[in-house]
Amino acid sequence: EVQLLESGGGLVQPGGSLRLSCAASGFTFSSYAMSWVRRAPGKGLEWVSGISGSGASTYYADSVKGRLTISRDNSKNTLYLQMNSLRAEDTAVYYCAKDDYGGNAGYYFDSWGQGTLVTVSS
Amino acid sequence: DIQMTQSPSSLSASVGDRVTITCRASQNIKTYLNWYQQKPGKAPALLIYAASTLQSGVPSRFSGGGSGTDFTLTVTGLQPEDFATYHCQQTYSTLYTFGQGTKLEI
Repeated sequence: EVQLLESGGGLVQPGGSLRLSCAASGFTFSSYAMSWVRRAPGKGLEWVSGISGSGASTYYADSVKGRLTISRDNSKNTLYLQMNSLRAEDTAVYYCAKDDYGGNAGYYFDSWGQGTLVTVSS
Repeated sequence: DIQMTQSPSSLSASVGDRVTITCRASQNIKTYLNWYQQKPGKAPALLIYAASTLQSGVPSRFSGGGSGTDFTLTVTGLQPEDFATYHCQQTYSTLYTFGQGTKLEI
């Protein structure tokens, strides 16, 4: 059974930093791309960042580029999101998601973690 | 970036109803369109991928259609557990984007 468990959320002041982790189990972690997705209060889902299975390729939404950094440690089956220069608008529940590839069907998130809350406030 | 626009943003319906949610892409995304269901306090769950393929375990009352820029999610015979928020997502671009969500209420 696939399991994704996020940790590292909390309250941080504007301009501060936080590192989120996502511990994966139940599948061959290095074979799958992974993503971070967030949902701010009263808003819809926002894809934040993605990373290839090897970690060689990374992708970012314009809203977070230059402030958030995605990485992974395949030896530890763990995905990370380093969050710097945090703003009030980064307040959200952050989810990690397993990015499955269905060939002609393209990519889709077939497994999600339970989420971790990040609150940016003074 | 590819913009995804869902309509309506909220929808009231009753058990047994048939409802349709639409999702429009700002450019042609072929059929690289996924739908997710999210209940309060829970993580999203994949319902449909590639515009019309039902994820394993999802009831057949859910169906998806469309290609190019216009897509639909239809629920035929609403059940109490279907009242949730639905999100569309494009994966045509490496910069994935979601619609703003549709809240389905009783």
